[in-house]
Amino acid sequence: AQKITQTQPGMFVQEKEAVTLDCTYDTSDPSYGLFWYKQPSSGEMIFLIYQGSYDQQNATEGRYSLNFQKARKSANLVISASQLGDSAMYFCAMREGTGFQKLVFGTGTRLLVSP
Amino acid sequence: DTGVSQDPRHKITKRGQNVTFRCDPISEHNRLYWYRQTLGQGPEFLTYFQNEAQLEKSRLLSNRFSAERPKGSFSTLEIQRTEQGDSAMYLCASSLGPQFYEQYFGPGTRLTVT
Repeated sequence: AQKITQTQPGMFVQEKEAVTLDCTYDTSDPSYGLFWYKQPSSGEMIFLIYQGSYDQQNATEGRYSLNFQKARKSANLVISASQLGDSAMYFCAMREGTGFQKLVFGTGTRLLVSP
Repeated sequence: DTGVSQDPRHKITKRGQNVTFRCDPISEHNRLYWYRQTLGQGPEFLTYFQNEAQLEKSRLLSNRFSAERPKGSFSTLEIQRTEQGDSAMYLCASSLGPQFYEQYFGPGTRLTVT
């Protein structure tokens, strides 16, 4: 069963507008964490934001916020005030448990920001 | 630059040749991970080190693949008798350890097997 599902292969947004990238996950472990990474065309994976399953508040990092809905098993990334430099692939990922911490990634969403 | 570094950035090799990639993690990070990413997919886990100990290997890591992390510092990933299906981006990541879950990735090594 797919652990991380990103249903949007591509998204378009105009500069300065907000955009939401969807991510749903599947786990039976009560302790887990959710990540979002950005991958520009250069290939490097850039860490954006992290949400732990026990965190009471939604994570925020600058223009990035994570809309964590535990009961729905969703962890959507919200980018406010989009910039041209936000154009990239975005991957949602999950770690399970508290020991070994491999990440399981979704298939990604390509975001294009237009002027 | 104090980030994760990988060398080489690109490697083109002929089928059947051996290749070796190097990863230098962030200096205080004791956990190191290798992932493989093929076109249109997210990265897939290959193997994990805590200090010098290799603690987990994916089933994706066939017996042609071997990874080491001598002295718990840099790591190498070797692929023997390369096949065209090995063509991918090989990503290395490191993390600080327990309670610090963020993994920081290097720029990757793009392997093309002809």
